Amino acid sequence: EPEVTQTPSHQVTQMGQEVILRCVPISNHLYFYWYRQILGQKVEFLVSFYNNEISEKSEIFDDQFSVERPDGSNFTLKIRSTKLEDSAMYFCASSTRYGQAQRGEQYFGPGTRLTVT
Amino acid sequence: AQSVSQHNHHVILSEAASLELGCNYSYGGTVNLFWYVQYPGQHLQLLLKYFSGDPLVKGIKGFEAEFIKSKFSFNLRKPSVQWSDTAEYFCAVSPSYSSASKIIFGSGTRLSIRP
Repeated sequence: EPEVTQTPSHQVTQMGQEVILRCVPISNHLYFYWYRQILGQKVEFLVSFYNNEISEKSEIFDDQFSVERPDGSNFTLKIRSTKLEDSAMYFCASSTRYGQAQRGEQYFGPGTRLTVT
Repeated sequence: AQSVSQHNHHVILSEAASLELGCNYSYGGTVNLFWYVQYPGQHLQLLLKYFSGDPLVKGIKGFEAEFIKSKFSFNLRKPSVQWSDTAEYFCAVSPSYSSASKIIFGSGTRLSIRP
């Protein structure tokens, strides 16, 4: 069964450094998402991406964040200057076109644990 | 604003006990409803989903959920739990008007099963 994959599984970085989290969505999916889960809290939506542009973003997704699909297979989340409060598990997800069998069901990757020190 | 409430933060049961986890959502339009499970050290997996039709949906591993529109609820049930059901369970909703709709998660219920 196809899966969403994410690398690295764990990233440790110093405050103020840039990080790039990578995701490979399921190959025939068209919609891509990033979520995050701060330890002990709920999973929160960050951004959705379709047709090479952002569809929707949350208040969390400020100017320090950006997303990109650089080569047709990877989907990346960049945090320009990390803060301590960016420490969280970051999940990538992807979904197919609405109207098909899966009707927008999102498939989640295993997550990248980001630790900012 | 859309929101999801899960009533129980931590539920502890013995094996073979019946399970019901409560979930209520707040949204004025038509929604898709989900239950996700996160086993220790693993990623989110879809247990079951409701898009339309029969409000009683069956998922994997013997779980089921019932959508009660008048109560804005989507409670998860399992008649007899096993130790392997120990996990965190998340109720989630997604507005159904858009293919790229975000999923809004509840805060989760940690389920601990005593062997």
